[in-house]
Parts: sequence; C-alpha cells; structure tokens
Amino acid sequence: NAGVTQTPKFQVLKTGQSMTLQCAQDMNHNSMYWYRQDPGMGLRLIYYSASEGTTDKGEVPNGYNVSRLNKREFSLRLESAAPSQTSVYFCASSEALPGQGVSNYGYTFGSGTRLTVV
Amino acid sequence: AQSVTQLDSQVPVLEEAPVELRCNYSSSVSVYLFWYVQYPNQGLQLLLKYLSGSTLVKGINGFEAEFNKSQTSFHLRKPSVHISDTAEYFCAVMDIYNFNKFYFGSGTKLNVKP
Repeated sequence: NAGVTQTPKFQVLKTGQSMTLQCAQDMNHNSMYWYRQDPGMGLRLIYYSASEGTTDKGEVPNGYNVSRLNKREFSLRLESAAPSQTSVYFCASSEALPGQGVSNYGYTFGSGTRLTVV
Repeated sequence: AQSVTQLDSQVPVLEEAPVELRCNYSSSVSVYLFWYVQYPNQGLQLLLKYLSGSTLVKGINGFEAEFNKSQTSFHLRKPSVHISDTAEYFCAVMDIYNFNKFYFGSGTKLNVKP
C-alpha cells in the first residue's frame, strides 16, 4: 500500500547510544517531516524538509540531526540518546509547495517509532 | 507562531450519543484547519480539512466540523458515536503563508462507552 513507512517500530536505547530512524514515502511528495509525540503535548515538529536537498529546524531540534537522502527518504538521527528523548516519533509527508493548488494539503503519517531511552 | 487549544483532554460519552470536540486557535492571518484521528498504537489519519468555501466541512466516519472565523474555532461534531470512534483526536492549523508548519493541539481522548 502507498504511504509512509517508518523503521523500526520499537527501539530501546541506553543513554549515550546513537541510532537512526528511517522514513520513506512512495507518493512522490516534496515535503517530509519528523514529529515527536509526548503525552498531553500533542505533536511537536523536530525537523522538516521542504524539498529534496533542504532541511530546516522545527520547534524542538536539539539533540537531533536529519538527512534528506533523496526525494523518498528522510532520516532522523540521535547522536547521543538521552532519557528526555523517550517518545513516539512520527514521520509525515506532504505534497504542499507554495503556489500549488490547495486541494491536497495535509499530511500523510507513518505508523510511528516508539523509542525508549534508559 | 500559531497556538491550538483543545479545551478537553478527555471526553467520555455513551454510545449513540452526540459529541463535540472543541478546538480554538490563535491567529490574525488566514489558516487552513484539520482534524486528525489516532487509534491506539497507530499513526494519525486525516478526518477532514477546511481550506476555503463552505464553513461546514464533512469528513470520514460521519464526522463534521464548522469553521468559525470570528471565534477562531473549528469544533468537531458527530451526531451519534460508536464504540469504534474511541480514539484520540487532534486539531491542527496551518498558516497559509507557511505551508511547511503544522501546529497541533494537545489532543482529546474520546472514550465511547456502551
């Protein structure tokens, strides 16, 4: 099925370990995003990529890095994991670009990665 | 930056009763508005969206929402809920001049009881 695929679905890390969360979309969308979801706080934007070759910080970028490998893939890296990064991480994509028609604005979300840092 | 307020963190309701989930946003500029649903251990799924035109928007699963610009609200309603509607619902706002940033509310957990 078309959509956004995230791997892994679950991960437990020790403090200080590093890891990369992978995300791929097959809808030819231009924009991709990484969010974290914490209880009572909704979703907060970590980083986004408006188009292939560009990345920008969101609301909570500290402790993370991203790579827009190509149009399909957008990875999120934790260089030195901390317990405060325990969260559920969602990748999303959108075809939105300024000046384009508005009928399809909105995100398609992956099913999430549940990360625990101990 | 936008802020989105979902006034109720949890809403218990009996099956077949009507429900309204409230959403208010702070904005002095034009926005697009969305409601997403998240079932347990799943990602977010788009319920409905308001981009322009009629202020009453119909979405999937019998949900609808009404955009009220003067009150900066976008409340979600369903006239008769089912057990299967039990989920968390998120309101989201997009500034039309900044397409790449969604602002999400903190979510409302709808618990439908038999």
